[in-house]
Amino acid sequence: QLVESGGGVVQPGRSLRLSCAASGFTFSSYAMHWVRQAPGKGLDWVAVFSYDGNNKYYADSVKGRFTVSRDNSKSTLYLQMNSLTAEDTAVYYCARVAVAGDNMGGFDIWGQGTMVTVSS
Amino acid sequence: QSVLTQPPSASGTPGQRVTISCSGSSSNIGSNYVYWYQQLPGTAPKLLIYWNNQRPSGVPDRFSGSKSGISASLAISGLRSQDEADYYCATWDDSLSGVVFGGGTKLTVL
Repeated sequence: QLVESGGGVVQPGRSLRLSCAASGFTFSSYAMHWVRQAPGKGLDWVAVFSYDGNNKYYADSVKGRFTVSRDNSKSTLYLQMNSLTAEDTAVYYCARVAVAGDNMGGFDIWGQGTMVTVSS
Repeated sequence: QSVLTQPPSASGTPGQRVTISCSGSSSNIGSNYVYWYQQLPGTAPKLLIYWNNQRPSGVPDRFSGSKSGISASLAISGLRSQDEADYYCATWDDSLSGVVFGGGTKLTVL
């Protein structure tokens, strides 16, 4: 199970940190991704943190502003979002890659999502 | 504009077979596995197909996936009203070093 938290309403230019608490599986064995969905729009990939901690990749739209991290001791994934703009308004999902040791495969477990609204 | 191209809508009547296409390029579909997701209104996406044509346990065999070259497709046979949802294809893009999604296809069961 994955449970996101940390969403809310934030002014443009400000920061927000999302958390994704995992349970029921060996968190450290799985790559974890962030995916977002703007209201009424499609799925938009944000970032991945590899299972071994050696690789982090970001969508061009968030590169340099967002940072993904994880604390395996707490089975938690994070997304630090800085310099937020209205275009970042979306439901943010964390998702687990289905196969342990695979960084870029299908996402078999998704959280319920947390809404981030960037507005003045 | 999504990197992967899907038709915005598809429809069929109960019992029919429908297919949803997903077109990409050599840097994404052409060199990586394709995944398909189903998203019911107000819910998180659900993995339907992985590794081009494999179904996770619990996904009915009415759903099938295929890939050829730089295109992939999802087929749904024996269409049911509960299949009405948005469907997304996804894969890794080697040039972008990231996951790319199709724009989504809204399936309507008439």
